[in-house]
Amino acid sequence: QVQLQESGPGLVKPSQTLSLTCTVSGGSISSGGYYWSWIRQHPGKGLEWIGYIYYSGSTYYNPSLKSRVTISVDTSKNQFSLKLSSVTAADTAVYYCARGDYYDSSQFDYWGQGTLVTVSS
Amino acid sequence: QSALTQPASVSGSPGQSITISCTGTSSDVGSYNLVSWYQQHPGKAPKLMIYEVSKRPSGVSNRFSGSKSGNTASLTISGLQAEDEADYYCCSYAGSSTYVVFGGGTKLTVL
Repeated sequence: QVQLQESGPGLVKPSQTLSLTCTVSGGSISSGGYYWSWIRQHPGKGLEWIGYIYYSGSTYYNPSLKSRVTISVDTSKNQFSLKLSSVTAADTAVYYCARGDYYDSSQFDYWGQGTLVTVSS
Repeated sequence: QSALTQPASVSGSPGQSITISCTGTSSDVGSYNLVSWYQQHPGKAPKLMIYEVSKRPSGVSNRFSGSKSGNTASLTISGLQAEDEADYYCCSYAGSSTYVVFGGGTKLTVL
């Protein structure tokens, strides 16, 4: 059973960089066949896809966030990470990591529990 | 404003059927049979209920079904149960520049 777990600071100051890591267990990121994804949900709002990465390092980002987002992968640790720069209060959200299907980018079959990140001074 | 349009809320009584629509464009829903639906209970992560328009993952009740016509995808839940009360989101592949778009979500109330 694949499991994903987000980790990182729950509070980030405005203008700083939000950094989160997702640790995958029960399956190897290096096995291929999946995109490793970040998705966020503003309080009381809907889901927003941030981007995903393939084990090879190829990345794909939401055009609206692309200038501020970096997703990276560490296959030796079976982890992938999100960095979002120049954050504002509008970036306050629950951040989820999820496994996406390589052939169907809309299909996310395993999700982490989510972690709330608050942007505030 | 979300890329895909869903009704904000729907409701039904136990045992009834309801349908949630998800309207996109010819750049996403209309061009690809890559539409998924997610169920989200309060405080929980979303759960995949339908993928590739109409396929159900193992373990998902056959009371859940999906379809698509033109730029609109639909999720139908038959034999409504109290446990179906949740938020539902559609998601579509949107091509090689936008990649993934979600709907704004629909709150299902079981009366």
